[in-house]
Amino acid sequence: AQSVTQLDSQVPVFEEAPVELRCNYSSSVSVYLFWYVQYPNQGLQLLLKYLSGSTLVKGINGFEAEFNKSQTSFHLRKPSVHISDTAEYFCAVKSGAQKLVFGQGTRLTINP
Amino acid sequence: DADVTQTPRNRITKTGKRIMLECSQTKGHDRMYWYRQDPGLGLRLIYYSFDVKDINKGEISDGYSVSRQAQAKFSLSLESAIPNQTALYFCATSDSTSGGKTGELFFGEGSRLTVL
Repeated sequence: AQSVTQLDSQVPVFEEAPVELRCNYSSSVSVYLFWYVQYPNQGLQLLLKYLSGSTLVKGINGFEAEFNKSQTSFHLRKPSVHISDTAEYFCAVKSGAQKLVFGQGTRLTINP
Repeated sequence: DADVTQTPRNRITKTGKRIMLECSQTKGHDRMYWYRQDPGLGLRLIYYSFDVKDINKGEISDGYSVSRQAQAKFSLSLESAIPNQTALYFCATSDSTSGGKTGELFFGEGSRLTVL
């Protein structure tokens, strides 16, 4: 069965600092990987996705993620964060005919 | 207007009451889902429907029921609400021609339910 682990429940960083949100997954078959973002009082929206091809995926708002098959990871990065990046971020995985499975979420807080 | 609309956005109710959360979508997607979000637990699938005549249980369906009234409408019911059903509920949609394979979902803004 597939599963997703987000290694940090909360990540506080200063504005303009770099950030990495970690995500590891387990699956015995090939996967599709996603990062969703939830801004305060809003629903989730897709930030980026890996389906196939290049392992470095670029998303909206300057975020990117790298698929590492050997490490079964899909970490999300941004070189310089802004106050508006304050949100909760969810990693998700789908493999085969199974349903999309979400991680526990990482709350990113940007301090001025 | 939002592509996926949930009503009500907020609801406070008492133990034992029947509650219905409604979801409608204008995306033309055939697949619809209900998720529950709890702090530290992420999103967990309650029910999903691949078309009007197809309803499936998710990982936490106990205490919930659903109805797919039309391709665009999918409602979630709590027949007798209990306090541990206090949570944020999300409706989502996907398109079987693309998202059905890849898993990409489109979410409503959520319905916050409090059961006292």
